[in-house]
Amino acid sequence: EAGVAQSPRYKIIEKRQSVAFWCNPISGHATLYWYQQILGQGPKLLIQFQNNGVVDDSQLPKDRFSAERLKGVDSTLKIQPAKLEDSAVYLCASNPEANTGGLFFGEGSRLTVL
Amino acid sequence: SQQGEEDPQALSIQEGENATMNCSYKTSINNLQWYRQNSGRGLVHLILIRSNEREKHSGRLRVTLDTSKKSSSLLITASRAADTASYFCATDKSYNTDKLIFGTGTRLQVFP
Repeated sequence: EAGVAQSPRYKIIEKRQSVAFWCNPISGHATLYWYQQILGQGPKLLIQFQNNGVVDDSQLPKDRFSAERLKGVDSTLKIQPAKLEDSAVYLCASNPEANTGGLFFGEGSRLTVL
Repeated sequence: SQQGEEDPQALSIQEGENATMNCSYKTSINNLQWYRQNSGRGLVHLILIRSNEREKHSGRLRVTLDTSKKSSSLLITASRAADTASYFCATDKSYNTDKLIFGTGTRLQVFP
């Protein structure tokens, strides 16, 4: 079974530029999450999708971050314009519906904003 | 905001020794999970314990949960160099693994 795929793995941009990250969850997983992990900290939930609908985006900085999950499969997370404090690893995770186990995480996309 | 706080922040031990990490949380939960993260990699689920359970085992892992103290511990027995990683606890208020709130993590270094 293929895991959660994320790209790009690394991205370096200047502040005020834009960036997009892509995630393809495990096939059949209804729930998809984007987490932000700042160096030395635990992951923080940015947004949760159930199929193609948003379940929770309360911690997404909507003035600069946006995410979509068209067709309820893969998802993109965009940051525009980027700030220095956005430097972090962006982790995508997925979960089959009514799962009673853990989340399945991708390898993450590391963003450095200069 | 982070729900859980792990203790210690960092732990260094020799191969063969046991490693114990603790997690404290603030609000009531349905389940608590532990994840491992190798440097530069994603998180890997290790074990889930529900609020009505007190102890759970998986291989060399033993997890305890004390809901009255709002705390959990992860014990890795007979540690190996390959156990070197960061370990995070995550709490979930719902029955179905839904929305996890992660702690700050413990960095474990196991020396051969």
